[in-house]
Amino acid sequence: QVHLVESGGGVVQPGRSLRLSCTTSGFNFSAYSMHWVRQAPGKGLEWVSIIYYDGINKYYLDSVKGRFTISRDNSKNTLYLQMNSLRAEDTAMYYCARDISSRYPLWWFDSWGQGTLVTVSS
Amino acid sequence: EIVLTQSPATLSLSPGERATLSCRASQSLSSYLAWYQQRPGQAPRLLIYDASNRAPGTPARFSGSGSGTDFTLTISSLEPEDFAVYYCQQRSDWPRLTFGGGTKVQI
Repeated sequence: QVHLVESGGGVVQPGRSLRLSCTTSGFNFSAYSMHWVRQAPGKGLEWVSIIYYDGINKYYLDSVKGRFTISRDNSKNTLYLQMNSLRAEDTAMYYCARDISSRYPLWWFDSWGQGTLVTVSS
Repeated sequence: EIVLTQSPATLSLSPGERATLSCRASQSLSSYLAWYQQRPGQAPRLLIYDASNRAPGTPARFSGSGSGTDFTLTISSLEPEDFAVYYCQQRSDWPRLTFGGGTKVQI
């Protein structure tokens, strides 16, 4: 079955960097667009970024543009999120999620990992 | 940015009762709306997409309806595992996806 496992979270000071990974199994990773979605403690959900199945098209939440970079390694079935210049407001649980559609995305998330917690604090 | 307003914020019901959750959009979404369930300590789970299509594995007691700016998630008869937070999400304005603030269904 579809399995997504995030890693790389932790406590980091404002202005520093962190790279999140999402290791996947149980499906043809290279055929699916993938997303990052975050949830601040006790708050709602916020979409962060998407990378299309082929790694070419990428989109970001306005507040992370220029600071976060999404990437993927289809040979390793792994999704990444490089987060630079972190701010306190980036503190959240970060989930990777699979798009419901293979190839071109429909922007619905049909499989989720359990998340990795990022805390930005001095 | 399209704003999604969910109501009520909290719904207090008993097992076996019917739950009706609302999601209102600040502009028309056509049918581009989904519903997710999030139990405490768990990741969200897709229930409904395109306003009324059940995702694989979603029990038949969950149904979605609506179009344009007003949408409803109905749970026909609450099971103990249905007590959770429910979020709506729009994709009409991609890539500017947005979620509603959530409705907590509690006993």
